[in-house]
Amino acid sequence: DGGITQSPKYLFRKEGQNVTLSCEQNLNHDAMYWYRQDPGQGLRLIYYSQIVNDFQKGDIAEGYSVSREKKESFPLTVTSAQKNPTAFYLCASTPNGGSNYGYTFGSGTRLTVV
Amino acid sequence: AQSVTQLDSQVPVFEEAPVELRCNYSSSVSVYLFWYVQYPNQGLQLLLKYLSGSTLVKGINGFEAEFNKSQTSFHLRKPSVHISDTAEYFCAVTNTGGFKTIFGAGTRLFVKA
Repeated sequence: DGGITQSPKYLFRKEGQNVTLSCEQNLNHDAMYWYRQDPGQGLRLIYYSQIVNDFQKGDIAEGYSVSREKKESFPLTVTSAQKNPTAFYLCASTPNGGSNYGYTFGSGTRLTVV
Repeated sequence: AQSVTQLDSQVPVFEEAPVELRCNYSSSVSVYLFWYVQYPNQGLQLLLKYLSGSTLVKGINGFEAEFNKSQTSFHLRKPSVHISDTAEYFCAVTNTGGFKTIFGAGTRLFVKA
């Protein structure tokens, strides 16, 4: 079955450390997204990519970086510049970035700073 | 700019009772509207969406929602809930032809036996 795979499911980060969250999709979708979820705040957009080798900042991009070298993959790096990274991170995709389709989401990565 | 307001942060309800989760939105342009469900430690799953046409849309798991343009609302309803409906529900809006989706803060539905 097609879908989005996020790994790892749980991740612990030490202060000052960069960590990378994986997102892979086999849906042949063009557009991919990263959202951050904090309790009571809904989802906030970090980065999105409509095509390979191109991506744009979302509303809360500071302290994060991404790459889109392959259509299937959209990894997110949480850098040491992100001062409050503890959150639930969700990757999503849509076929062509069209607004009428709705997202397909992965099962998320829970990141905790230790 | 668009915004989404989910009017209730938590909704407790007894099993087999009806439920309504309220969502209001604000936008200066035409929009598409969505409801998603999230079970604990999972991603979101699309329940239903309104694009155009009939204002009453039916989704999965027996849920339905009604688009009211004059009141800028898109409330989610289910006539009889089950324990398994306990989850968080998110309303979302995207302007037609746009790219970014704005999510509400979520409503936690607790179904009690």
